[in-house]
Amino acid sequence: AQSVTQLDSHVSVSEGTPVLLRCNYSSSYSPSLFWYVQHPNKGLQLLLKYTSAATLVKGINGFEAEFKKSETSFHLTRPSAHMSDAAEYFCVVSGYFTGGGNKLTFGTGTQLKVEL
Amino acid sequence: DAGVTQSPTHLIKTRGQQVTLRCSPKSGHDTVSWYQQALGQGPQFIFQYYEEEERQRGNFPDRFSGHQFPNYSSELNVNALLLGDSALYLCASSPRQARAWELFFGEGSRLTVL
Repeated sequence: AQSVTQLDSHVSVSEGTPVLLRCNYSSSYSPSLFWYVQHPNKGLQLLLKYTSAATLVKGINGFEAEFKKSETSFHLTRPSAHMSDAAEYFCVVSGYFTGGGNKLTFGTGTQLKVEL
Repeated sequence: DAGVTQSPTHLIKTRGQQVTLRCSPKSGHDTVSWYQQALGQGPQFIFQYYEEEERQRGNFPDRFSGHQFPNYSSELNVNALLLGDSALYLCASSPRQARAWELFFGEGSRLTVL
């Protein structure tokens, strides 16, 4: 079974400072990992994905995540926070069903607050 | 091209009632998955439909049921509502052999049970 643990439920940063959202994963095989963002009253948007290619993954809006197998981590970073980054962020691992189809297992989320 | 559309966006029910939520998948998608997102939690997988049948199911009781129509749209039904069923219900669609990141999510239906 696959699972993810988001280490911080809330993160607060100042605009223009770096963002770090932490995620550890557990998987019995090489996982596919994702970060999704959810703005208030909006649907989930895929930020970036890791699928066993390059360990440093670049996503939209300047977000990056690095897959570290030795640490079972997949932390999300952004060099400089913008006010528009304030949202809920989910670390996600995918699983595959026999016969096809896939299922996403979400972490509990990290609420990012960006202050002036 | 419309994405995944869900209706209604908000609704209020009382305990013991039944509710039906609807989802229209993105054009070209034939697989629909439903997720429940309780307040302060990440979404949890309820079930997945393909070819008008439930193919996979998460850890949810039989009070949660669904249906998929020939046009690939889907309904989620919840019977005998409990207070704990209050949540945002998300629909995600994909092509049948999609890779995991090819799921498209709707904006959800927010259910409040009083």
